[in-house]
This record gives sequence, structure tokens and C-alpha cells, in this order.
Amino acid sequence: SQQGEEDPQALSIQEGENATMNCSYKTSINNLQWYRQNSGRGLVHLILIRSNEREKHSGRLRVTLDTSKKSSSLLITASRAADTASYFCATAEASGAGSYQLTFGKGTKLSVIP
Amino acid sequence: GAGVSQSPRYKVAKRGQDVALRCDPISGHVSLFWYQQALGQGPEFLTYFQNEAQLDKSGLPSDRFFAERPEGSVSTLKIQRTQQEDSAVYLCASSLIEGPGLDEQFFGPGTRLTVL
Repeated sequence: SQQGEEDPQALSIQEGENATMNCSYKTSINNLQWYRQNSGRGLVHLILIRSNEREKHSGRLRVTLDTSKKSSSLLITASRAADTASYFCATAEASGAGSYQLTFGKGTKLSVIP
Repeated sequence: GAGVSQSPRYKVAKRGQDVALRCDPISGHVSLFWYQQALGQGPEFLTYFQNEAQLDKSGLPSDRFFAERPEGSVSTLKIQRTQQEDSAVYLCASSLIEGPGLDEQFFGPGTRLTVL
């Protein structure tokens, strides 16, 4: 089953604009991670934010986490054509086996038009 | 250094055939994971190894799916008597530390399995 739900499902913007993607989840988490997937490079980890953190930056990426609303957002500033990809949020939640499982959402498909 | 590699990249099987998918994780990575990704969906967890021990197999969809990592490095996912609903991309990932979900995972390119 998939816990995270990304919104929107698809997003098309012009190069240079900012792109914002949202993720909502249902259960308590240890951390939330964002991944990017395109046909050229497969699935690549972008950023991890722990449940006690509210905001994190990495280059042109900004991630926020609101555990009270069980939601996160990923902002990509000054987008480039190379940012065209599918973006997934993944939540680390306790599994019944006594450890944590990484559960992915369905993804947001971002298209950046040159 | 080398990333996670998977082979074959593409596999076509007739319904009822057995298949074996291989994963070579990053050297020294303790944790290894298998995921199944259907078209248009996010990856879904199948199973997790810490070194050679399979600590979580709660995501395996049926007893036709079997995974092993006998020496704590290379892993094989085997699917017996394949069915059409097994068609998907199978992703392998590894991470340096123990504890799935607690650190970033490095993914391989995947094996696209098509069952006719």
C-alpha cells in the first residue's frame, strides 16, 4: 500500500519558474524523504527531513515538514529543463517487523519547458 | 565508485516460467532492499536484508516470491511460476547503515519484467 499522496499528479512550468509539490501522509513517521526518477538516471535520493525538523535546504531545493498536518512540500527554485522528472515522497514508518519501512507515494510528474 | 547494479535490465518471460533477478549493492552497504514498481506508481516495498539476514519480507506478494542474500552482498529475487500481474520494474536499493528508512537509499536501474 502507498501512504504518501503527492499533489499535483502532474505539473508543467516554464524554465526559470519555481515548482512546488506537496505530499500528505497518514501515520507517524521517523523521517520523510524526496526522490527523483527519470529514465536517464533512475531513482535518486534528493533530501531527507527528520520528524523533529521543520525545514531543510539543499541547493535549489527546499523541503518543509508539518507533522501536525502530516504534510510536506518540495520547492524547486529557478527550474531547469534537466529537472524534468517524476518526484516521489517516501515516509519511513515503523513496520510490524520491528524496524522501519520506506513507503513511497505515486509521484508528481514535473515537466520543465525550455 | 560504482553504484548499485542490476541484471538483467530487461526480462521477458512466458507465464509459468521462473525468473531470477540479480542485484549487486554498493560495496560495504549493510542494508539491501527490493521494491516493485508498477507503471505510473511509486515503488512498493518487497523485502529487506541486513547483511545476510532477511529481517522483513512483509511486502512479498505471494509465496512465489523468494529473495536471498547468502553472503551479505549480492542478492537474488526469484519469482516462481510467473503471472501477468508480476509484470513490473523490480528495483534494488542499498544503504550504508542498519535500519531501513533511516538513511538515504541508493537505487539500481531496475529490471523491467514483462510476463506474456
